[in-house]
Amino acid sequence: QKEVEQNSGPLSVPEGAIASLNCTYSDRGSQSFFWYRQYSGKSPELIMFIYSNGDKEDGRFTAQLNKASQYVSLLIRDSQPSDSATYLCAVNTNAGKSTFGDGTTLTVKP
Amino acid sequence: EAGVAQSPRYKIIEKRQSVAFWCNPISGHATLYWYQQILGQGPKLLIQFQNNGVVDDSQLPKDRFSAERLKGVDSTLKIQPAKLEDSAVYLCASSPGTSGGLEQYFGPGTRLTVT
Repeated sequence: QKEVEQNSGPLSVPEGAIASLNCTYSDRGSQSFFWYRQYSGKSPELIMFIYSNGDKEDGRFTAQLNKASQYVSLLIRDSQPSDSATYLCAVNTNAGKSTFGDGTTLTVKP
Repeated sequence: EAGVAQSPRYKIIEKRQSVAFWCNPISGHATLYWYQQILGQGPKLLIQFQNNGVVDDSQLPKDRFSAERLKGVDSTLKIQPAKLEDSAVYLCASSPGTSGGLEQYFGPGTRLTVT
């Protein structure tokens, strides 16, 4: 079992729809959770982070965390073609060890 | 504020040759990471430094890879000798703190092709 697993994808949604990206992790000692976006040929860039159970909203993005279920998700509302990218889930322990999933590729069709 | 700098951006070498990558993190960032990203996969942590000490190098193939971070600032990653399976993008990232709760800022990466 991988330490961080994401939807295998690819995920395709029409413009304006909600895109839902999921991530599960195995280390119960994980404390902080990050979503990065990576455009083809570029390096990852941070979209959101979440530390506590519940939802965290930032513009069109909402991160959801459920530590009991070891599950974190990212919702993108009103998806735009510019959101087409690979989304990486990263999980950090308190010591700063960082583990990434393999990413889910999202395509938003106009 | 300047971002994470890496060089070279691209490198093509033959197998069994050696190669070195350089990273300059964001000024003041205590933690520096080197990742290997193979096409279609997520970044895989090779080594993590806090200041100039190694925190985690459990996934670094130490028979051929080495890394150092002198004076807690710049870092170099070396591969000697290279294998075909080392073809990947090597990403350097830095983080402002020493705990796990902080985001990482990535450099542009070095794309290595081993022929």
